Amino acid sequence: QKEVEQNSGPLSVPEGAIASLNCTYSDRGSQSFFWYRQYSGKSPELIMFIYSNGDKEDGRFTAQLNKASQYVSLLIRDSQPSDSATYLCAVNPGNTGKLIFGQGTTLQVKP
Amino acid sequence: EAGVAQSPRYKIIEKRQSVAFWCNPISGHATLYWYQQILGQGPKLLIQFQNNGVVDDSQLPKDRFSAERLKGVDSTLKIQPAKLEDSAVYLCASSKTSGGAYEQFFGPGTRLTVL
Repeated sequence: QKEVEQNSGPLSVPEGAIASLNCTYSDRGSQSFFWYRQYSGKSPELIMFIYSNGDKEDGRFTAQLNKASQYVSLLIRDSQPSDSATYLCAVNPGNTGKLIFGQGTTLQVKP
Repeated sequence: EAGVAQSPRYKIIEKRQSVAFWCNPISGHATLYWYQQILGQGPKLLIQFQNNGVVDDSQLPKDRFSAERLKGVDSTLKIQPAKLEDSAVYLCASSKTSGGAYEQFFGPGTRLTVL
């Protein structure tokens, strides 16, 4: 079992829709969880992080964490073509600072 | 605030040659990370420094890879000798400290092609 799992996609949504990206992790001791966006040929860019169960909202983005189910998700409301990118889920196991990344989910937002 | 700087941006070498990458973190960031990202995969941590000490190098192939951060600021990552499977993007990241929910910020990366 991979430590951090994401569906590679592509996930295709129409412009204006809600995109839902999901991630599961295996280490129950994981403390904090990050979502990065990576455009083709570019480096990862931090979108947001979450470390408490529940929801965290930042603009059009909402991160959701369920530690009991070892599940973290990212919702993108009012999706725009500029949101088309690969979304990387990353987990900080045991408060060590290191990040373990999933393979990423490719999102395509169609005009 | 200036971001993480890396050089070179691109490098093409033949197998068995050596190569070095340089990284300068965001000013004031004590923790520096080197990641390897193979096409189609997420980044994989190679080594983590806290100031000039190594925190984690468990996934660094030490027979060919080495890294240093002598003065606790900039860092170099070296590969000697390179193999075909080392073709990847090498990403440097920094954070204010390790642990907690301290965000890591990435540099532009160095794309290495080994022929």
